[in-house]
Amino acid sequence: DAGITQSPRHKVTETGTPVTLRCHQTENHRYMYWYRQDPGHGLRLIHYSYGVKDTDKGEVSDGYSVSRSKTEDFLLTLESATSSQTSVYFCAISESGTGGTDTQYFGPGTRLTVL
Amino acid sequence: AQTVTQSQPEMSVQEAETVTLSCTYDTSESNYYLFWYKQPPSRQMILVIRQEAYKQQNATENRFSVNFQKAAKSFSLKISDSQLGDTAMYFCARGGGSNYKLTFGKGTLLTVNP
Repeated sequence: DAGITQSPRHKVTETGTPVTLRCHQTENHRYMYWYRQDPGHGLRLIHYSYGVKDTDKGEVSDGYSVSRSKTEDFLLTLESATSSQTSVYFCAISESGTGGTDTQYFGPGTRLTVL
Repeated sequence: AQTVTQSQPEMSVQEAETVTLSCTYDTSESNYYLFWYKQPPSRQMILVIRQEAYKQQNATENRFSVNFQKAAKSFSLKISDSQLGDTAMYFCARGGGSNYKLTFGKGTLLTVNP
């Protein structure tokens, strides 16, 4: 299994509070991704990173920001959490990212509930 | 929007039998990849099999194989000798294009009955 951990694994928070989710990898892969999973939607890309300090938006990026200061860590921040951000969040990594052709390996997920 | 469609929200199969999960997709790219991921109740996303579009030969991994029909944009997953541990949500995904994302279908919940 790819060495990917996510923290926390579960979090309950209140509307309007900031939340940061962490993804840590030990594979030294260049590309990292944040997805959210909601019933009836499959997984949707929030943001991705193609190197240290290099990030870009995915299809559902509103209300989220990311940072990557080290190869191994990719942080997802909800500046002011809303109930619509209640979801399961997955981090993924890939060795290369060319046109989405490389296999992405997923972390165990974080279940976030915003009350 | 380029989409991935899984037309079977739920399926069931008896242990030891064979089942096929359907997936269709659209794309304007010439080079792309297709994936099946499995998500058991543990919620972990596990790669089952991958197919490169430029390869005509269908991918196989032990009891899992695909039927890739490029012209029809179809990518079905066949599970042979189904086992109780195959009970999971299965997601079809397409990669390729100008960005790095995988586009996922909505999933098929497969239940293997004893």
